[in-house]
Amino acid sequence: EDQVTQSPEALRLQEGESSSLNCSYTVSGLRGLFWYRQDPGKGPEFLFTLYSAGEEKEKERLKATLTKKESFLHITAPKPEDSATYLCAVQARGDTGTASKLTFGTGTRLQVTL
Amino acid sequence: GAGVSQSPSNKVTEKGKDVELRCDPISGHTALYWYRQRLGQGLEFLIYFQGNSAPDKSGLPSDRFSAERTGESVSTLTIQRTQQEDSAVYLCASSLDGWKTEAFFGQGTRLTVV
Repeated sequence: EDQVTQSPEALRLQEGESSSLNCSYTVSGLRGLFWYRQDPGKGPEFLFTLYSAGEEKEKERLKATLTKKESFLHITAPKPEDSATYLCAVQARGDTGTASKLTFGTGTRLQVTL
Repeated sequence: GAGVSQSPSNKVTEKGKDVELRCDPISGHTALYWYRQRLGQGLEFLIYFQGNSAPDKSGLPSDRFSAERTGESVSTLTIQRTQQEDSAVYLCASSLDGWKTEAFFGQGTRLTVV
């Protein structure tokens, strides 16, 4: 069974204080790893997809990296508007019918203060 | 439409009543997913559609839950004889083809069973 574990559960940073969020995964074969941002009362918003170990993607202050066992979301010089819950999900290889679902972690709740 | 649309945004129902939740995916997206998010918890997979068929129904928690999709577009999630543990936010997502492509989420329907 595919599993995704995110740490820490919650993280409080001061504005400008860089840090990293971790996503460890166990999957029979990785098709893709996805990062989402979720604001309170809203649906998850897509950030990145990573497909193979060594791949990196960047968007503004966020950078996602992938190894064979985990992914990191690095936040550089965060701002208060980066406060949200960050979700990681994996999609496994296999039959396109039964393996297309995304398995999510429980998220890291990030709060950035002034 | 421009994004995934779900209706209603909020639904309060009495225990034992049936409810229908609707999802309008992004036009042209063949893959559609339903997820459930209980308060403070992660996203729980319910069902996956490819076109109008559902190759993966493994997440439906009981036979009180059913879903259909018509015209490779709109999907309806039906919960019969609702119970208090069904209270949650029900999220719908669509993706271009369900194969290594990102899924885009709607805002969700908050269901409260009283």
